[in-house]
Amino acid sequence: DVKVTQSSRYLVKRTGEKVFLECVQDMDHENMFWYRQDPGLGLRLIYFSYDVKMKEKGDIPEGYSVSREKKERFSLILESASTNQTSMYLCASSPTGVRGGSGNQPQHFGDGTRLSIL
Amino acid sequence: GDSVTQMEGPVTLSEEAFLTINCTYTATGYPSLFWYVQYPGEGLQLLLKATKADDKGSNKGFEATYRKETTSFHLEKGSVQVSDSAVYFCALSASGGSYIPTFGRGTSLIVHP
Repeated sequence: DVKVTQSSRYLVKRTGEKVFLECVQDMDHENMFWYRQDPGLGLRLIYFSYDVKMKEKGDIPEGYSVSREKKERFSLILESASTNQTSMYLCASSPTGVRGGSGNQPQHFGDGTRLSIL
Repeated sequence: GDSVTQMEGPVTLSEEAFLTINCTYTATGYPSLFWYVQYPGEGLQLLLKATKADDKGSNKGFEATYRKETTSFHLEKGSVQVSDSAVYFCALSASGGSYIPTFGRGTSLIVHP
């Protein structure tokens, strides 16, 4: 079965720390995504990557960066954690459609990392 | 730009009741449409999808029909169970070269015994 694995289910960090969230997929998907999920706000895209070493900003990239050195791994980095980054973080992947983009392909999600910044 | 509008929740039902969660969309071209479900403490998982007008997606007793004339993709189930309690997200993936799907804000469903 296809799998997207996030390294931690729960994480507690302090303000000012540099925080790494890791995501690995075993489906050989080209596209990977980082979202945050907050009550009443739904899913908001932070960054996505459509190929190794390629990245694009999403809707809320401020305070975050990403790294994709290998096809299967996509890391989210909080450069200097702040309390307003306390949230649920979801990683997803999808294949590229035959005409480019994601086409009619669904995303596959990890179980999420609930991050608390104290 | 593209958008997805879902009915706000929570939707509260008794077991064996009929479920409808409304979803309408705005998009250019011919998007693909999806319903995802998120059970407590988990990520989203695909529930069903439809890729062209009049297609019906179905899974686990849930159904949704791609209605281009009304730009809708309403989720239905004839008899809900307590185990269906979850958050349901409607989403679209635009045709062409876009990588990024558009999600609705989610509708929480609570089913009581």
